[in-house]
Amino acid sequence: SYELTQPPSVSVSPGQTARITCSGDALPKQYAYWYHQKPGQAPVLVIFKDTERSSGIPDRFSGSSSGTTVTLTISGVQAEDEADYYCQSADSSGTYVVFGGGTKLTVL
Amino acid sequence: QVQLVESGGGLVRPGGSLRLSCAASGFIFSDYYMSWIRQAPGKGLEWVSYISGPGSISYYADSVKGRFTISRDNAKNSLYLQMNSLRAEDTAVYYCASLRTYSSSHSGDYWGRGTLVTVSS
Repeated sequence: SYELTQPPSVSVSPGQTARITCSGDALPKQYAYWYHQKPGQAPVLVIFKDTERSSGIPDRFSGSSSGTTVTLTISGVQAEDEADYYCQSADSSGTYVVFGGGTKLTVL
Repeated sequence: QVQLVESGGGLVRPGGSLRLSCAASGFIFSDYYMSWIRQAPGKGLEWVSYISGPGSISYYADSVKGRFTISRDNAKNSLYLQMNSLRAEDTAVYYCASLRTYSSSHSGDYWGRGTLVTVSS
């Protein structure tokens, strides 16, 4: 079955730039989406269609795509950005929805 | 504003059944694909199933195929998940989400707060 691969954890100091990657063979063909999730809360859509920022999301969040890897970049990280981040996409046929394993962002 | 409210979770024995519901408001329900996504305790997100706006198309994750059935009632703005032959590994918070379609993929635009299903003897 199709998989998306994310690093389990990323740590940055406040004000630095965090980059979270997501790799998958079908990513050149399918859009990627990013969500953040804080403890006890539902996920929130952050980025859609690889690079588009969802409504209400600060402009320090951005998405990019290159080949089989998509990247969520958070510039000038703030303490409130500490959360779990998930990428999501589809298999090459577009039939199945797939989530990455999630990345815990820690703000030191 | 968009609201998705799940209900129907609870404690069930292995092999048992449960039906989850999701009440939607604030958008034209019949226009949107809808999905169930689950999260086991301390684990990541796992897509379970989705259904098209008219209800004519549905797909399932391999882990639930043949045991779970997704359905919707557009007249009642409601989404359902019938879960049969439940296993301990089905224990999770189940989220209802509205999907927006881009090309051949979908994004989860709005999510409910989830309902907890615990499968245990």
